[in-house]
Parts: sequence; structure tokens; C-alpha cells
Amino acid sequence: AQSVTQLGSHVSVSEGALVLLRCNYSSSVPPYLFWYVQYPNQGLQLLLKYTTGATLVKGINGFEAEFKKSETSFHLTKPSAHMSDAAEYFCAVSSYSNYGGSQGNLIFGKGTKLSVKP
Amino acid sequence: EAGVVQSPRYKIIEKKQPVAFWCNPISGHNTLYWYLQNLGQGPELLIRYENEEAVDDSQLPKDRFSAERLKGVDSTLKIQPAELGDSAVYLCASSLAQRGAPDTQYFGPGTRLTVL
Repeated sequence: AQSVTQLGSHVSVSEGALVLLRCNYSSSVPPYLFWYVQYPNQGLQLLLKYTTGATLVKGINGFEAEFKKSETSFHLTKPSAHMSDAAEYFCAVSSYSNYGGSQGNLIFGKGTKLSVKP
Repeated sequence: EAGVVQSPRYKIIEKKQPVAFWCNPISGHNTLYWYLQNLGQGPELLIRYENEEAVDDSQLPKDRFSAERLKGVDSTLKIQPAELGDSAVYLCASSLAQRGAPDTQYFGPGTRLTVL
């Protein structure tokens, strides 16, 4: 079975500081990995995704994430936080069937709420 | 391009009452998902449709929950009767993916259900 662990339910940074949100996954087969952002009272919006190829993935709003197979991690970073980045962030892994190959279903972590201080 | 539309946005009912949620996916998206999001948690899949077919409903509590996607477009999720523990946000998502391709899922704003 696949699973996702997000370390830290709340992260607070100052405006202009580095943002680092941690995500570790468990998967017995090569995973597809995603980061979504959720603003209050809104649905989830895709920030970036890793499927195959380059392990450093760039997304929207200046975010990027690096797939590290040896560490089973997919941490999300942004060099300089902006007030508008305050939201909840979810890491997700795509599930696989017993016969191999992706089913397309997403398994989400519990989320990390990012606060940005002025 | 219009996104995923859900209604109502908010619903307050008393326990044991029925409730229904409606979702209109992005035009052309054949795959539709219903997720349950409890407070402080990530979304959890309830059911996935590919066109009219429910291809994964293993997490849907079938004693009280039902869903349908007639004509492979709009979908309705129903709870009857509702229980206090059903208070949560119900999210609908759609994608172009079929049979396993992990394409991007686009989410609607959700319906926040409160059961009193």
C-alpha cells in the first residue's frame, strides 16, 4: 500500500524567507508525486507533479520540489515566501493496482498549513 | 474555461435527514472523483468514475452513501440518512485520465456539510 507523511502540520516563516515543506512517501513501485495547495474555502490546485524524468520539478508561483528516491522524499521549496503563499499544502502519491501501473487515484498526506509573517 | 462546479457550497441538516451534492466536471473530462475531507486531514477518495462506470467505489460506505453519474457528465453524491460524523467537506474532481494514467486532477470548491 502507498502512503504519504507530511512532517509538521504547521509551518511559519517570515516574508522573504525560505519555505521548506517536507513530504515522505511509501511505495513499492515507482511513484507519481504531486503537491497541491488549498486556500481557505477553495478546492485544491495543482502546484507541481513528478512522473518520470528530471527529478527537480518546477511548478507555479515559484515553487519547486525534488524527487529523491534514496530518501523516499519529495520536499517542496520556495526561495522567498510571499504573504499570498499562506495556505494549506498537500503532498500526494498516485496509487497502483496489484497488477502494476497507476490507477490514477491519489493518496494524500494530512497537509501542512503555511503561515507567512510580515 | 469553466472549472469544476459544485453545489451547494454549504449545507446544514439535522441527523437522519437525507442530503445530496451535485458536481459538474470540466467539459471533456471523462474521469470524475468524489473525495471526503475531514477537518485537518487530506482528501480521501470515496468513488471514481470513468464515464458512467464506477471503477473504484471500495471506500464508499454503501449502507448510507450512493452516487450516480448518468450520461457520463454530471454526478450526484447522496447520503441517507446523515450522521453526525458525516460533517466534512465533500470535494469533486475531474481529469482526462483513464485506465491508470496519473493525469492532473482539477478540484471544485467543495460542499461543506454540517450535520446537527
